[in-house]
Amino acid sequence: GQNIDQPTEMTATEGAIVQINCTYQTSGFNGLFWYQQHAGEAPTFLSYNVLDGLEEKGRFSSFLSRSKGYSYLLLKELQMKDSASYLCAVLKAAGNKLTFGGGTRVLVKP
Amino acid sequence: NAGVMQNPRHLVRRRGQEARLRCSPMKGHSHVYWYRQLPEEGLKFMVYLQKENIIDESGMPKERFSAEFPKEGPSILRIQQVVRGDSAAYFCASSPSSSFSGNTIYFGEGSWLTVV
Repeated sequence: GQNIDQPTEMTATEGAIVQINCTYQTSGFNGLFWYQQHAGEAPTFLSYNVLDGLEEKGRFSSFLSRSKGYSYLLLKELQMKDSASYLCAVLKAAGNKLTFGGGTRVLVKP
Repeated sequence: NAGVMQNPRHLVRRRGQEARLRCSPMKGHSHVYWYRQLPEEGLKFMVYLQKENIIDESGMPKERFSAEFPKEGPSILRIQQVVRGDSAAYFCASSPSSSFSGNTIYFGEGSWLTVV
């Protein structure tokens, strides 16, 4: 089976940096995704990591360590519109199933 | 999530009625996935289908729920005799092949089911 853990909530100040951690246990790994989801809306793709290391895309970066079963999403220069849930999801090597963590609600305060 | 069409966006059903949720994948995509999201929770995998085949239904409740993806037309998630606990957002996603990566899986806008 798969266990994917991420914090339930985080609060940060506008302009600051927030790091959302995700740990996973899986038999077979074929990549880790991060999605952003605003309340009442669909998840939107943020990043995909399949190899170890840091992937940077504008204000958002994602890191993966396969040996540690660990990823983080880094949000820099926080804006009020970044208040949302951030979902970590793992793709197994077989079966084509994307399994999501419970999501981390990030609240950005002025 | 452009291109994956779900309807209805919002559906209200009384307990005991049937709910039918439809999903048209992106053009050229033959793989469809259904996920359910209960309030304040993450997305839970339900079923993975290809045209005319159910590939993995390990996340589907054993009773009252069924899914199909016919040769022609949209994928349908059917919930019979709905109960209040079925109230959730149901998301459909599609991919062009059985090996997706990066942003080659696209989500629809979701269908919000409310059972009263």
